[in-house]
Amino acid sequence: DAKTTQPPSMDCAEGRAANLPCNHSTISGNEYVYWYRQIHSQGPQYIIHGLKNNETNEMASLIITEDRKSSTLILPHATLRDTAVYYCIVGGWGAQKLVFGQGTRLTINP
Amino acid sequence: GAVVSQHPSRVICKSGTSVKIECRSLDFQATTMFWYRQFPKKSLMLMATSNEGSKATYEQGVEKDKFLINHASLTLSTLTVTSAHPEDSSFYICSAREAGKGVETQYFGPGTRLLVL
Repeated sequence: DAKTTQPPSMDCAEGRAANLPCNHSTISGNEYVYWYRQIHSQGPQYIIHGLKNNETNEMASLIITEDRKSSTLILPHATLRDTAVYYCIVGGWGAQKLVFGQGTRLTINP
Repeated sequence: GAVVSQHPSRVICKSGTSVKIECRSLDFQATTMFWYRQFPKKSLMLMATSNEGSKATYEQGVEKDKFLINHASLTLSTLTVTSAHPEDSSFYICSAREAGKGVETQYFGPGTRLLVL
């Protein structure tokens, strides 16, 4: 599976959009980009995934560059409850295992 | 979304004893379950993958005789930490996925915090 690179930490003001970048320059053609988050002392929670096109759901939007070498997770109106570690993972649709990198620790400030 | 439960949520045991952690998929049949461990301020590390009715596949460096995994039914997998030592103290998280479904349907349990004294 391709590896990902994320900034170790980010801060964002409550109510503003939080934009979390992820580099995955070695992603292969059939690999998806998945985003999970882990709130302190809980199990990871699925957020969104995409292959080529931008995706949006009730939690977030995912913007994937045309060359697919990087992506950005957008939380449009961050709240204090969005404070968590966000993991960007690449893998096939039926990938047997999710391998977590170090993620980005996002802190939403009041 | 689907629910995965773990029991117990936290456990304290004496060094040398064995501890069993249960992982259940509550509203779907999980043909594949995964076990992770997580140390403080670190990322999740995959320990093993188990498919219902077959032996678990362990990641490199994980002792299969120390971390016994059983996946006897489509809704239950257990992890037994045998002869636990203080260095086994960690946050253990399971996840479960339905057969033929994509990665986005892999749901995680709330985790079990193990403290070995």
